Amino acid sequence: ETGVTQSPTHLIKTRGQQVTLRCSSQSGHNTVSWYQQALGQGPQFIFQYYREEENGRGNFPPRFSGLQFPNYSSELNVNALELDDSALYLCASRRQDGTDTQYFGPGTRLTVL
Amino acid sequence: GQQVMQIPQYQHVQEGEDFTTYCNSSTTLSNIQWYKQRPGGHPVFLIQLVKSGEVKKQKRLTFQFGEAKKNSSLHITATQTTDVGTYFCAGHLSGSARQLTFGSGTQLTVLP
Repeated sequence: ETGVTQSPTHLIKTRGQQVTLRCSSQSGHNTVSWYQQALGQGPQFIFQYYREEENGRGNFPPRFSGLQFPNYSSELNVNALELDDSALYLCASRRQDGTDTQYFGPGTRLTVL
Repeated sequence: GQQVMQIPQYQHVQEGEDFTTYCNSSTTLSNIQWYKQRPGGHPVFLIQLVKSGEVKKQKRLTFQFGEAKKNSSLHITATQTTDVGTYFCAGHLSGSARQLTFGSGTQLTVLP
């Protein structure tokens, strides 16, 4: 087990709503990344936070936003949900900003109806 | 755009047979990582390769990083039913130290 936890495990929302997903990083890790994994596909990088600042972003619109807190836990917020937002959302933490190993949490399965 | 491709998409093998998945990038990678995701689970880190031409082994698994740092492979010898899952390669494209780009994955089924 990696020590990375996520909540909730499952969530059902309707189109147009807003959602907040939470991640608790592994102890000692100050960098967290969020990924979206659609069914049958590889994870897609959304963004990364390092010391409470977003310092990297993939090809996702601004309605995907995040926060990282002083204790290195983090949130992913998605506004104006669309049907295509249905996916497994994964967070991954690592010790420091860079290219070292990252450890994934179990994910949150979001269904948008 | 920059992509990391994997082949095959699916592979069915008889238990005891070997298995190989290949990963190719359109651009040079700073490193390559391999993950395994069991059905209903999350990606679990297997290994990271950094050097050109690097080869690493973990029991029945052999990982290679190409000389040009644009391709990689994972070979499993004598598969077991516990090897079932989807294997992903992922790399940091040159100039994108913060963004890990995943391949599309190879789903392995091992028939007993």
